[in-house]
Amino acid sequence: QSALTQPRSVSGSPGQSVTISCTGTSSDVGGYNYVSWYQQHPGKAPKLMIYDVSKRPSGVPDRFSGSKSGNTASLTISGLQAEDEADYYCCSYAGSWSDVVFGGGTKLTVL
Amino acid sequence: EVQLVQSGAEVKKPGESLRISCKGSGYSFTSYWISWVRQMPGKGLEWMGRIDPSDSYTNYSPSFQGHVTISADKSISTAYLQWSSLKASDTAMYYCARTYYDFHFDPWGQGTLVTVSS
Repeated sequence: QSALTQPRSVSGSPGQSVTISCTGTSSDVGGYNYVSWYQQHPGKAPKLMIYDVSKRPSGVPDRFSGSKSGNTASLTISGLQAEDEADYYCCSYAGSWSDVVFGGGTKLTVL
Repeated sequence: EVQLVQSGAEVKKPGESLRISCKGSGYSFTSYWISWVRQMPGKGLEWMGRIDPSDSYTNYSPSFQGHVTISADKSISTAYLQWSSLKASDTAMYYCARTYYDFHFDPWGQGTLVTVSS
């Protein structure tokens, strides 16, 4: 299975909004509402930010939101803060219980 | 508090065997799957496979099938990832993660760095 496609980098100023896209196929992103997003700071383990396309775990600020249209999922971060600077990965189930695919990751820089 | 605590960093030579561990606490270990995820230096995340600790049923990514073995001992709430013959290309950080039926992962262990070098 091929990795999902994410932009290598995005940036924004404090207070602004940014959106990170995650493009797959009808066999993964487009076929299931099982897209999740993870935040990873340097040297740290990933942290779940969004699951099932748009659900937010308890403790994750409501500045983080997720959506999906067709084969592309998106993570939007509004009211950017310095601590949001990190790598972000999308992930999708791709069927048959043996297929889980991650995106290549997007580095978010808060200017 | 739900936690996954992984074993410490390892330095091995090519051809050696290795088993790393992931101990769960703060929840019913047999009620959730455990996945293993690889992150090679400076690279992204790759799902390797998962185990259902209640019955040790496993699924592997086609990319890792036959190269690693995932197991679990539910009596001590611990999952394992093992290699029978390491290669230099196995050098990476390995994370375990509690896995839901829809394959989202929460929480993650702190990671185990495996270095394979002659």
